[in-house]
Amino acid sequence: DTGVSQDPRHKITKRGQNVTFRCDPISEHNRLYWYRQTLGQGPEFLTYFQNEAQLEKSRLLSDRFSAERPKGSFSTLEIQRTEQGDSAMYLCASSPGQGAFGANVLTFGAGSRLTVL
Amino acid sequence: AQSVTQLDSHVSVSEGTPVLLRCNYSSSYSPSLFWYVQHPNKGLQLLLKYTSAATLVKGINGFEAEFKKSETSFHLTKPSAHMSDAAEYFCVVSPSTGGGNKLTFGTGTQLKVEL
Repeated sequence: DTGVSQDPRHKITKRGQNVTFRCDPISEHNRLYWYRQTLGQGPEFLTYFQNEAQLEKSRLLSDRFSAERPKGSFSTLEIQRTEQGDSAMYLCASSPGQGAFGANVLTFGAGSRLTVL
Repeated sequence: AQSVTQLDSHVSVSEGTPVLLRCNYSSSYSPSLFWYVQHPNKGLQLLLKYTSAATLVKGINGFEAEFKKSETSFHLTKPSAHMSDAAEYFCVVSPSTGGGNKLTFGTGTQLKVEL
């Protein structure tokens, strides 16, 4: 197992374009999380999945953002009609489910850095 | 509601001297507390966690933290800094039960280690 993988690592796009990020969690983890980190700030929670079910979404996740985890394995985060304020590092993390050993420990990927021009 | 306050945005120490990174938390229930470290171009790495067992928690790379409920603090320490410790450190709080392991991060402390 190679940990949590994110792709692409860097994305530069023009305002108004759509972008999609992919996250491959640790294979035995059934929880998957998305966070956003802007310069000089700590990561902020966006949303999380248990298997394929999206259980919680932050108010930060506007209607231009959509996340999916169709088969309970990898996840995608799509941003439509990007704005300059969307420029940030998008972090994915995974963890075992509630009650499992290590359930409250998240393993993070290296992140996908988005720059909107 | 839960939150953490990291009291210093930047800390600079000399190699071989002690490190102290300060964190205060606020939580309406018994929280889990963590310290994560972020090296440039690398993912966040867990240093240590407190989950209502021993109040003095030992982590990786010689770091430890003490949970003090009376002071609502969870400061991170290391007896002797190494150049490789230079990174950004985040204090993090999470509900102990439920809440989907939703983590609330502090704003981070940038640790600089000088020769």
